[in-house]
Amino acid sequence: DQQVKQNSPSLSVQEGRISILNCDYTNSMFDYFLWYKKYPAEGPTFLISISSIKDKNEDGRFTVFLNKSAKHLSLHIVPSQPGDSAVYFCAASGVGGTSYGKLTFGQGTILTVHP
Amino acid sequence: KAGVTQTPRYLIKTRGQQVTLSCSPISGHRSVSWYQQTPGQGLQFLFEYFSETQRNKGNFPGRFSGRQFSNSRSEMNVSTLELGDSALYLCASTQDRGNTEAFFGQGTRLTVV
Repeated sequence: DQQVKQNSPSLSVQEGRISILNCDYTNSMFDYFLWYKKYPAEGPTFLISISSIKDKNEDGRFTVFLNKSAKHLSLHIVPSQPGDSAVYFCAASGVGGTSYGKLTFGQGTILTVHP
Repeated sequence: KAGVTQTPRYLIKTRGQQVTLSCSPISGHRSVSWYQQTPGQGLQFLFEYFSETQRNKGNFPGRFSGRQFSNSRSEMNVSTLELGDSALYLCASTQDRGNTEAFFGQGTRLTVV
């Protein structure tokens, strides 16, 4: 039962263009969402988060959009840079039940930004 | 401010042995969670500790255990190691429980032979 899904295993983008990474969730108890960037054999690096009371959050080149009715969120990176090449994970947590105090991760999307 | 520190970075153990991994959270952070990353299962939640008490637990066998000390440092222990326990073990700290950003350490790469 995968409660957080990233359906695109990989994404390839040209430098300077927009990268859009998508994530879907099924658990209605999730109300806080995060995006992480990860390199092999290292810990995930926090990028940006969004609470369910918002539909958009921006931080520099990174913007996260949340569509609660569709249970969908996306991460936009503009402009994309070669240094953005990594695996991107979305994660979700909730205030109720077994969701509290834990992050549920998607399977990750490998982003490659070509110079 | 120092980040989350995990020790050791790499470990090789033999089947049947036990292992203890350590995590020092960011100063002032009181909640520590542990995750296992494997190629097949992705990032999976092991357990969460807050105020020296386990508050949440994932679907792992009882061979996986942990504890948290009064200074918020945490350890996790795996007994009777199996080949399938080979993974990257990650620790994350948050300032408090609930919906706040979780910051991860570099991880401990455990190889069971």
